[in-house]
Amino acid sequence: ETGVTQSPTHLIKTRGQQVTLRCSSQSGHNTVSWYQQALGQGPQFIFQYYREEENGRGNFPPRFSGLQFPNYSSELNVNALELDDSALYLCASSPSLGGGTQETQYFGPGTRLLVL
Amino acid sequence: SQKIEQNSEALNIQEGKTATLTCNYTNYSPAYLQWYRQDPGRGPVFLLLIRENEKEKRKERLKVTFDTTLKQSLFHITASQPADSATYLCALDLQTGANNLFFGTGTRLTVIP
Repeated sequence: ETGVTQSPTHLIKTRGQQVTLRCSSQSGHNTVSWYQQALGQGPQFIFQYYREEENGRGNFPPRFSGLQFPNYSSELNVNALELDDSALYLCASSPSLGGGTQETQYFGPGTRLLVL
Repeated sequence: SQKIEQNSEALNIQEGKTATLTCNYTNYSPAYLQWYRQDPGRGPVFLLLIRENEKEKRKERLKVTFDTTLKQSLFHITASQPADSATYLCALDLQTGANNLFFGTGTRLTVIP
């Protein structure tokens, strides 16, 4: 186990609703990244937070937003849910930013979101 | 456009044989390449990291090679066991500041007893 936890484990929402997913990073990790993994695909980078500031974003619309708290836990918020948002949402923590350090990322078990 | 391809969606292999998985990429210049294992319903688990200036890296029964000229990485599992059955993902780490990983679609390996 990596020490990264996510809640809830499963969630069902309807189109147009809003959802908040939560992640608790591994102890001592100040960087958290969120990924979306559609069925049969690899994870796709949504964004990363470092010390409570967004530090990089993938190709996702603004209705995907996030927060990181002083204790380094994190939230992913998705507004105006669409059917294509159905996926496994993964958070991953690491001890520090990249930029020359070879930091691996420690993934949580994910939250499976189904949008009907 | 940028692309990461893993050789096949699924690979079946007899127990005890060597499994070889391929990761090819185009239009990237990764600083590092990582391999992860993912079991159904779980998050990816880090296995190995190899830098752009390294040709080969080993860890127990695992071996990774990295050819930046061919833009290819090979992942080998020797003496494969049924417990090695999982999906294996390669990921490029561009080290552009945000250490986001660009993942391939994965190869589902089944080791047959």
